[in-house]
Amino acid sequence: GENVEQHPSTLSVQEGDSAVIKCTYSDSASNYFPWYKQELGKGPQLIIDIRSNVGEKKDQRIAVTLNKTAKHFSLHITETQPEDSAVYFCAASGPSNTGKLIFGQGTTLQVKP
Amino acid sequence: KAGVTQTPRYLIKTRGQQVTLSCSPISGHRSVSWYQQTPGQGLQFLFEYFSETQRNKGNFPGRFSGRQFSNSRSEMNVSTLELGDSALYLCASSFGAGTGTFYTYEQYFGPGTRLTVT
Repeated sequence: GENVEQHPSTLSVQEGDSAVIKCTYSDSASNYFPWYKQELGKGPQLIIDIRSNVGEKKDQRIAVTLNKTAKHFSLHITETQPEDSAVYFCAASGPSNTGKLIFGQGTTLQVKP
Repeated sequence: KAGVTQTPRYLIKTRGQQVTLSCSPISGHRSVSWYQQTPGQGLQFLFEYFSETQRNKGNFPGRFSGRQFSNSRSEMNVSTLELGDSALYLCASSFGAGTGTFYTYEQYFGPGTRLTVT
């Protein structure tokens, strides 16, 4: 069935270091891969996404890479700041033309000042 | 542009009762998806509505239902509440696309409704 595995479940880094979160998806038909950041008491916030026809996308300190063959995609955050501390979720699109997203279990990122 | 709004933000209900949650999408968006978030199961898809039609449904019992109105606002209803229904219920708004378009639009989440069943 549809499944997204996300690792690690927790990640602690020093301010200024890089953080990497990895996800693996099971459905080869998935073609859209968003990443969300969720802070305490708030809904998930879309921070970056990538589509299956692109291998890499960057937005300032955040980048995402996609390996369709291996069904892997990763989030890279450089020069981490304390305000990057949050729970991060990866997701993969479900059946085409519907709003279904299959989410990973989340990664709690802690950036120590 | 106003974001996704959900009401109420917090609810406390008793087992056996029913509850209705509301979601107003971003102006111009025609698709609304609902998700349940719990510490144990994470974010799970409930259903999606596009132009007043349910287009996809997750693996939840029939006690969970929804609908969408002509102005794209959506409601979800949970009948005969169980303790395990305690969760954060999130709705996500998307531009959406009609049949035959194989493109997934970005989804933007509201703040959620925290439901506690006692």
